[in-house]
Amino acid sequence: NAGVMQNPRHLVRRRGQEARLRCSPMKGHSHVYWYRQLPEEGLKFMVYLQKENIIDESGMPKERFSAEFPKEGPSILRIQQVVRGDSAAYFCASSSGQGGSGNTIYFGEGSWLTVV
Amino acid sequence: GQNIDQPTEMTATEGAIVQINCTYQTSGFNGLFWYQQHAGEAPTFLSYNVLDGLEEKGRFSSFLSRSKGYSYLLLKELQMKDSASYLCAVRPSNDYKLSFGAGTTVTVRA
Repeated sequence: NAGVMQNPRHLVRRRGQEARLRCSPMKGHSHVYWYRQLPEEGLKFMVYLQKENIIDESGMPKERFSAEFPKEGPSILRIQQVVRGDSAAYFCASSSGQGGSGNTIYFGEGSWLTVV
Repeated sequence: GQNIDQPTEMTATEGAIVQINCTYQTSGFNGLFWYQQHAGEAPTFLSYNVLDGLEEKGRFSSFLSRSKGYSYLLLKELQMKDSASYLCAVRPSNDYKLSFGAGTTVTVRA
C-alpha cells in the first residue's frame, strides 16, 4: 500500500464542525475509492472517482458527505456538520484502472476521525 | 446487492495451518481478493484469483471455485505476526470497486 497518501492520519472534530480528508493516489493511478470502516466492522464502499468525475457514489450518505477528485491535487472527502456516528476510519484506495490483477486496489494508511 | 460471508474469528497455534473460507453471491464476478489488516492499520493486498484453482505465494495460498461461489485463504507455518483480520473482497463484473466481507480475525497463540 506504499504510495497512497492520506492526511490527516487522525482528526478530532466537535459536533457540527466540518471534516476534510485528503488522498493522493499511488503514482500512475487514476482511480480513487473511499471506504469507511466502523469499529469491529468491515470496509464499506462510499464513492469511486476518476479525475474530475464521480463514477459511483452509491455508498455515500445523501446528506453532509461529498467527494471530489480535481484535475490537479488530491481527492477530498468532505463531511459537513459532523455527528458522533461519523467517527470511523476512512480509507482511501487507488488503482490503475487496467484489467486483471493490474487493477488491484491499494489502500492508504487511513484517516481516523473522532467526533466529540 | 452483494453478499460475502466469512467466519468472524479463528484461533490457531503457532506453526499450524489455518484455512479461512469465504462464500459470495454477487451480481457477476470479475475477481476475488484477499487482504490482511492489522489492528489500526490499512488493509494490505495478499492475493488475487480470477480463474478457478490455487494460487500459491509463499506461506499464503488462495483458492477459488467460481461455480460454487467459494474461496479460501490458507495460511501455513503460522507466526505470531499473522494475528490480524483477513478480508475477502469480490469485484462484480463491469465494476471497479470491491465489495468486502466483514473480515475474519485470526489469533495465533504460542
